[in-house]
Amino acid sequence: EAGVAQSPRYKIIEKRQSVAFWCNPISGHATLYWYQQILGQGPKLLIQFQNNGVVDDSQLPKDRFSAERLKGVDSTLKIQPAKLEDSAVYLCASSLNDRGAGELFFGEGSRLTVL
Amino acid sequence: AQSVTQLGSHVSVSEGALVLLRCNYSSSVPPYLFWYVQYPNQGLQLLLKYTSAATLVKGINGFEAEFKKSETSFHLTKPSAHMSDAAEYFCAVSSGYSTLTFGKGTMLLVSP
Repeated sequence: EAGVAQSPRYKIIEKRQSVAFWCNPISGHATLYWYQQILGQGPKLLIQFQNNGVVDDSQLPKDRFSAERLKGVDSTLKIQPAKLEDSAVYLCASSLNDRGAGELFFGEGSRLTVL
Repeated sequence: AQSVTQLGSHVSVSEGALVLLRCNYSSSVPPYLFWYVQYPNQGLQLLLKYTSAATLVKGINGFEAEFKKSETSFHLTKPSAHMSDAAEYFCAVSSGYSTLTFGKGTMLLVSP
C-alpha cells in the first residue's frame, strides 16, 4: 500500500517569495491534515479536511497561508508571501476518518527554508 | 482544551538500559493517547495508542505505555534500549472528534 506522498522534499526561498507544497494521501482516506513542525517543537495543526471540506483551520495564518483539497483527494498548501518564521517542515497526514482514535499516517514532510 | 507535556527534551541511555519517556496530558474529556516516533528526515510513525481499553498498551519495537488516570500520565517504556531506537518521540492526545495535539517531543539518544 502506497503511503502519503509529499513534494517537494526540500525548498529554499527568500522572504516575500511564494511556495507551494503538494500532498497525495493514502487511497481511500477521507481526512487530510497539514501540520507545521518548527525545529525543536511538536507538529502543530494548520488545517484539517474531511473529503474536500475544511473541518478546522483555526491555526492557519490566513493572511499568508492557503490550502485546498479539490475533488477530495490530493491537496496543496501555499504560502505567499513567506516570512523567516515560516521556516519549518510541513507534514501532510491522512486518516480513514475524523474520529479521534484513528491513526494518522504521515508523509516524509517538505522542509522549507526561508532566507 | 487539551494539551500534552513531555518532560525532558533529551534523554540519554546506554544500549541495553531501560528507556523511560515521560508524558502528562490534560483533557476535559476521556482522552485518546498516542506515542509517535520520528526518525531523521522522515515523517511520524505510530508506536502505540490508548483508546479506553486496556490501560497497559503494547506497541511496535518492544515499546509499551501505561495509562494512569490518577496521575494523568502516559509514560513510554522499553526494557532494553537498542541503537536503532535513537529517534525523536512525540506524545499526543485527542478526544472524540478533536484533532491530535502533540507535545514538544523527546529526543532519545542511545550510546553503545
